Amino acid sequence: GESVGLHLPTLSVQEGDNSIINCAYSNSASDYFIWYKQESGKGPQFIIDIRSNMDKRQGQRVTVLLNKTVKHLSLQIAATQPGDSAVYFCAEGEGQTQGGSEKLVFGKGMKLTVNP
Amino acid sequence: KAGVTQTPRYLIKTRGQQVTLSCSPISGHRSVSWYQQTPGQGLQFLFEYFSETQRNKGNFPGRFSGRQFSNSRSEMNVSTLELGDSALYLCASSFGTGVDQYFGAGTRLSVL
Repeated sequence: GESVGLHLPTLSVQEGDNSIINCAYSNSASDYFIWYKQESGKGPQFIIDIRSNMDKRQGQRVTVLLNKTVKHLSLQIAATQPGDSAVYFCAEGEGQTQGGSEKLVFGKGMKLTVNP
Repeated sequence: KAGVTQTPRYLIKTRGQQVTLSCSPISGHRSVSWYQQTPGQGLQFLFEYFSETQRNKGNFPGRFSGRQFSNSRSEMNVSTLELGDSALYLCASSFGTGVDQYFGAGTRLSVL
């Protein structure tokens, strides 16, 4: 498949451990944040999102934390599995443009490797 | 429900040529966004179309253009290809405002 993350930071964890992936965003006016997962040969897949009026949101095995004071976003994956191995991207929505669309700005990404 | 379909999956072109990539969104989705993904720059927004109109545009030169048809299918065109245009081009569709975007598998373009 395509090589997405030749120059990406990498996080290696053991199967069953909890993983934390961090992201710093740039625009204090961003009102919407999303985490995507991208496996080799595939497009990014939506994992979880959070609005700027929240500081925590939980999904199935995943939790997203938002700290607006320091413009920091994190994704926590509980009981990490080999199938979680992928590149993870955060994206910030900069609010609706005049055209009515939500423009997403993506972070550089982090490669998660889960060792069995 | 079928996902976002991008064709072709792989393309090899030479400098100076032009290329057209195609994207079929999820049925019912009217917004289509295009991104360029490279190892060095990550995912960069190209443009977004809704109801055949370009609503938003990223910071790419005019060689990059797109359009959307009445059935919401979209094409993007790159003219006068440069080596630096080699990338994975991703299309994403959403229902309305562009949040909750669903991505296709991408078209890998190699410019020689």
